[in-house]
Amino acid sequence: KQEVTQIPAALSVPEGENLVLNCSFTDSAIYNLQWFRQDPGKGLTSLLLIQSSQREQTSGRLNASLDKSSGRSTLYIAASQPGDSATYLCAVRRFQGGSEKLVFGKGTKLTVNP
Amino acid sequence: SAVISQKPSRDICQRGTSLTIQCQVDSQVTMMFWYRQQPGQSLTLIATANQGSEATYESGFVIDKFPISRPNLTFSTLTVSNMSPEDSSIYLCSVGTRVTDTQYFGPGTRLTVL
Repeated sequence: KQEVTQIPAALSVPEGENLVLNCSFTDSAIYNLQWFRQDPGKGLTSLLLIQSSQREQTSGRLNASLDKSSGRSTLYIAASQPGDSATYLCAVRRFQGGSEKLVFGKGTKLTVNP
Repeated sequence: SAVISQKPSRDICQRGTSLTIQCQVDSQVTMMFWYRQQPGQSLTLIATANQGSEATYESGFVIDKFPISRPNLTFSTLTVSNMSPEDSSIYLCSVGTRVTDTQYFGPGTRLTVL
């Protein structure tokens, strides 16, 4: 059974700092990996999608990498801003229990201090 | 991308009652899912809503407790039946077209059971 782990569980940084969020998964047989952002009490916003054949994806100040063989992904946020404060969730899509599904980590709660 | 709306956005319900949550998508989608997010936890898949047939439930979730309908490719409902305080969660609808594509999430329904 696929397990997804995110480290650290919480992170507090000063504005302007570059930071890295980590995600690891136990089974490398994945279709793709997705990073989401969740604001308190809200739904999920998709940030980046990396297919299993890709190494990285970039969107603005965000860069996500994928090393499928080692079961790791990182989300790099450049020049962090207070508006980046949210919980960041990593999810892998894989075939499990008879169908394709997303398996989520517990997230990293990021606070960017002005 | 898909635009997803959910109704209600939040509700406070009494123990023993039932609540039906609606999910509407602005385009036809192949896959529709229902997730639960308990306080302080990550997302757990409840079931896959299948158009024109019975939903596929994950381990630990049963149809009598969480009946799901999907009459067409743009709409689904999830009912939380005979509620208890343990059902207090955010319930999220999610959609996708293919396993290689981004999966999108609705804004969620915040349910509190007294």
